[in-house]
Amino acid sequence: EPEVTQTPSHQVTQMGQEVILRCVPISNHLYFYWYRQILGQKVEFLVSFYNNEISEKSEIFDDQFSVERPDGSNFTLKIRSTKLEDSAMYFCASAQGAVYEQYFGPGTRLTVT
Amino acid sequence: KNEVEQSPQNLTAQEGEFITINCSYSVGISALHWLQQHPGGGIVSLFMLSSGKKKHGRLIATINIQEKHSSLHITASHPRDSAVYICAVEGGSEKLVFGKGMKLTVNP
Repeated sequence: EPEVTQTPSHQVTQMGQEVILRCVPISNHLYFYWYRQILGQKVEFLVSFYNNEISEKSEIFDDQFSVERPDGSNFTLKIRSTKLEDSAMYFCASAQGAVYEQYFGPGTRLTVT
Repeated sequence: KNEVEQSPQNLTAQEGEFITINCSYSVGISALHWLQQHPGGGIVSLFMLSSGKKKHGRLIATINIQEKHSSLHITASHPRDSAVYICAVEGGSEKLVFGKGMKLTVNP
């Protein structure tokens, strides 16, 4: 069964450094999402992406964040200058359509020291 | 802004018990998702529904649009059902709003 994959599974970085989290969505899916979950808290929406552009973003998704689909298969989340409070699990998800079941990747645990 | 509430927050059950997890939301939606989060952190989609009832194996999900309420039932629970069960809603946009989740522990 097709699945969403994410790399790396765990990333440790120093405050102020740039990180890129990578996701490979399911190949025939058209909608892509990033979510984050701070330890012990609920999952939060960051951004949705369709037709090579952001379709919706949350208040969390400020200028420090960007997303890209560089080559038609990968979907990346870049955090330009990481802060301690960016430490969280980041999940990528993809779906066939706008109000369709979303398939989640296994997550990348980001630790900012 | 939609508020999603789940109850109970934690539940411990004995193997074989029938379990019900509740979710209520404050604003009309286009769809509701039930998700399962394993201890390792991975999230699996169980159901997406916008009306009525869906069944998959031992899991049944129902939604009452008028009451703004959904339930997830697990029949003949098993220790492998131990996980966090998360309700999430979407309404008019693609953005999912998540509940805090309910931690289920099923003891053998």
